[in-house]
Amino acid sequence: GAVVSQHPSWVICKSGTSVKIECRSLDFQATTMFWYRQFPKQSLMLMATSNEGSKATYEQGVEKDKFLINHASLTLSTLTVTSAHPEDSSFYICSARDPTNAPTGYEQYFGPGTRLTVT
Amino acid sequence: LAKTTQPISMDSYEGQEVNITCSHNNIATNDYITWYQQFPSQGPRFIIQGYKTKVTNEVASLFIPADRKSSTLSLPRVSLSDTAVYYCLVGDGGSYIPTFGRGTSLIVHP
Repeated sequence: GAVVSQHPSWVICKSGTSVKIECRSLDFQATTMFWYRQFPKQSLMLMATSNEGSKATYEQGVEKDKFLINHASLTLSTLTVTSAHPEDSSFYICSARDPTNAPTGYEQYFGPGTRLTVT
Repeated sequence: LAKTTQPISMDSYEGQEVNITCSHNNIATNDYITWYQQFPSQGPRFIIQGYKTKVTNEVASLFIPADRKSSTLSLPRVSLSDTAVYYCLVGDGGSYIPTFGRGTSLIVHP
């Protein structure tokens, strides 16, 4: 199946700084990618839908000025956590859909996740 | 978007068959049913997807009754490595925004 990578796999940053997380589709083009956040022992919470060449669509309650999403190419979306605080510490996961490599084209491929710890 | 309901947790033993049922009473005509597996600190992994009746791959089977208001993921002869959280998602591919419910935490005992 298709592969989605994330970088870094883990990051520690100080409170008040910004950190960027990259999500790449390695062998397919993704016009749409999704960003999730997952706290310990909880389900994945959708943060935003990233659309190539246009502004991201944020879910209710997610601050768009704090979580900056850029989808500059068909294989790369980035999530920047600005002015990070300890409560932003979480597991961030991206996903993408490859309409050309699935029985129905509705299959989502997920990245391995990025563990963010804000001290 | 159809909401899904799954058991919060299940226990099984190695070698047994495990069936996890997901309810999706409001499933739409164009919706597909997809199951994912997630291990701790990893992204979800696609297991199987179907629209109706039965789908089988090398990992699992998916049973969908005629009314499509539920689906059952069947894992044959589970092993300890199948201990994970399993999520059922329902959506239409054209405008599909994958939204996760609570999932089912499966624990396989020796």
